[in-house]
Amino acid sequence: AQSVSQHNHHVILSEAASLELGCNYSYGGTVNLFWYVQYPGQHLQLLLKYFSGDPLVKGIKGFEAEFIKSKFSFNLRKPSVQWSDTAEYFCAVKAPGNTPLVFGKGTRLSVIA
Amino acid sequence: DTEVTQTPKHLVMGMTNKKSLKCEQHMGHRAMYWYKQKAKKPPELMFVYSYEKLSINESVPSRFSPECPNSSLLNLHLHALQPEDSALYLCASSQQTGEETQYFGPGTRLLVL
Repeated sequence: AQSVSQHNHHVILSEAASLELGCNYSYGGTVNLFWYVQYPGQHLQLLLKYFSGDPLVKGIKGFEAEFIKSKFSFNLRKPSVQWSDTAEYFCAVKAPGNTPLVFGKGTRLSVIA
Repeated sequence: DTEVTQTPKHLVMGMTNKKSLKCEQHMGHRAMYWYKQKAKKPPELMFVYSYEKLSINESVPSRFSPECPNSSLLNLHLHALQPEDSALYLCASSQQTGEETQYFGPGTRLLVL
């Protein structure tokens, strides 16, 4: 079964700082990869996803992620964070077929002015 | 339109009560999901319905009983819950149970007294 590791539990950044959140997964076969964001008091929203093709994917709100197959990683990046990016970020992995979507434990991002 | 709606938004119930959570989507998706999310934790999959049939039950206690009356609706019937069942219950849907993206509803925040 696949598993997902998000190494950073809580990240605190100043506005305009660059962001990189780590995500590693364990699964030997083809996977689909997702980053979801949960703003305080709100529901999970899809930030971006990777199914195939260009390993650098761009999502909403200036976020991007790079799939590195050899490292089993799908790290999330943003060049310059804003206070409004304060949220919980979840990486998720899904194998093909009737298999569950597996979430990482999440990384809480706090952006301070 | 990527909207999944859930009612009620909040629910408080006693351990002897019977209540139901409702989820609806009109995106033509044929897969629907129930997740449970505790505070500051990732969502945990409970049930998956594919073409209105239960396809995954992640060993959920029988006090939770899902129902899929039609392709747009998903219910979760609750009976004799325990205080530790208090959580945010999320519904999601996707085109099918393959690799398609899951879209989440806002959730029902449940408190069991």
